[in-house]
Parts: sequence; structure tokens; C-alpha cells
Amino acid sequence: DVRLLESGGGLIQPGGSLRVSCAASGFTFSSYAMSWVRQAPGKGLEWVSSITGSGDDTYYADSVKGRFTISRDNSKNTVSLQMNSLKVEDTALYYCAKMPRYGSNGYRHYFDSWGQGTLVTVSA
Amino acid sequence: EIVLTQSPGTLSLSPGERATLSCRSSQSISSGYLAWYQQKPGQAPRLLIYGTSNRATGTPDRFRGIGSGTDFTLTISRLEPEDFAVYYCQQYSTSPFTFGPGTTVDFK
Repeated sequence: DVRLLESGGGLIQPGGSLRVSCAASGFTFSSYAMSWVRQAPGKGLEWVSSITGSGDDTYYADSVKGRFTISRDNSKNTVSLQMNSLKVEDTALYYCAKMPRYGSNGYRHYFDSWGQGTLVTVSA
Repeated sequence: EIVLTQSPGTLSLSPGERATLSCRSSQSISSGYLAWYQQKPGQAPRLLIYGTSNRATGTPDRFRGIGSGTDFTLTISRLEPEDFAVYYCQQYSTSPFTFGPGTTVDFK
């Protein structure tokens, strides 16, 4: 079974930095693109960032571009999100999500497995 | 950016009734790249439908997705007690990969 376990959330002041990570198991991690999707308290879902299986290509929402960096370590089956210059509006539950494969090397930007999330609170 | 609008915001129904949820897009979604998710309180979202009409593994056949272009619909033929939840549509045709605001299906 696919398992995604996020960690690293917490309370951070505006302008600060935080790194959240996701440990994956139950599938061949390096073969799948991965994403982060966030949900502000009581609000809807927002795609944040994605990374291909090899890590060669990354994608970001405009709201985080230049501040967040997604990365992965295929030897440790982990994907991480480094968040810098945090703003109050970045407060959310951050979900790690697996993206399905398409063909031998492709992927589709929807999310077929999700972790339980890690809460990031940005507040003074 | 493709903006998704979901209606109604809340659908109040009883078990056994049919639910019809709408998702409309500000631009045509190519290749039917639209997904539906279900989220229950305190839980992560769960993929129900992808590619407009393909049920994900484990999705009961009472869930049906249809649509094309800018208009998409999720129907639940006969509501079971476990179906009362929030439903989101998401387009994956064009970055940024946006979600709709959600439709809550609650008990009448």
C-alpha cells in the first residue's frame, strides 16, 4: 500500500523559513512525480509545487515561486519543500501527494494518493 | 489561470437520493483533464474520478463523471451515508493546476 508521511510543520514567524518533508513507501518512489498541495484552515485546496521522478523538472504556483523550493532524495524515498520568506497567508495544512504515471516516462498532474498533512502556521 | 466554479455550494440531501454536482471552467479543459476528489472532515482528499469519467481504484460505480469543454458533472446515483462530504474538482490541463472551491453534500 502507498504510504506518505509528512513531517516538519510548526509555528514560524513571518519572514522565517521552514522545511517540510514527506517519507514515501509502498511504491517505486523514483518512478513517480510528487507534489505538495496545501489547504488553509477551513478553506479549499491549492496546488503548490511538483517535481518529476528524476528531480530534473520542478513546477511552482505563482504564489510561492521564488520563495519555495521542492526537492527529492530518491535514495531515501523522500520529497521536501523548503519554504523561505514565509507569509501569514502560507498558513495551511501541507499535503504530500503522489502523481500517476502516464506511459513509460510521463505523468499527469492529478493526485492519486495523499498523506495526512503537516500543519504550518505563520504568525507573529 | 483556469478558474473552476462549483455549484451548488451546498447540497442538502437524504440517503438514497441522487446528487448532481457541477464544475464549470473559465476556459476549455483540453483532453478532458479533470479530476474529482472527496474529502471528509479531518481526512485527506481522496481521488474519485480522473480524465473526466474514469473511476479511480476503489471508487464505487454509483459515482459517475461526465462532461467536456467547460462543463463537467459528478453524479452520485444513490447516496450512501459515507458519501456525505466535500467534493472538489481539479483541472490538470494547464499550469497552475487549479481546484474548484468545493461542493458540500450534507444531510437534509
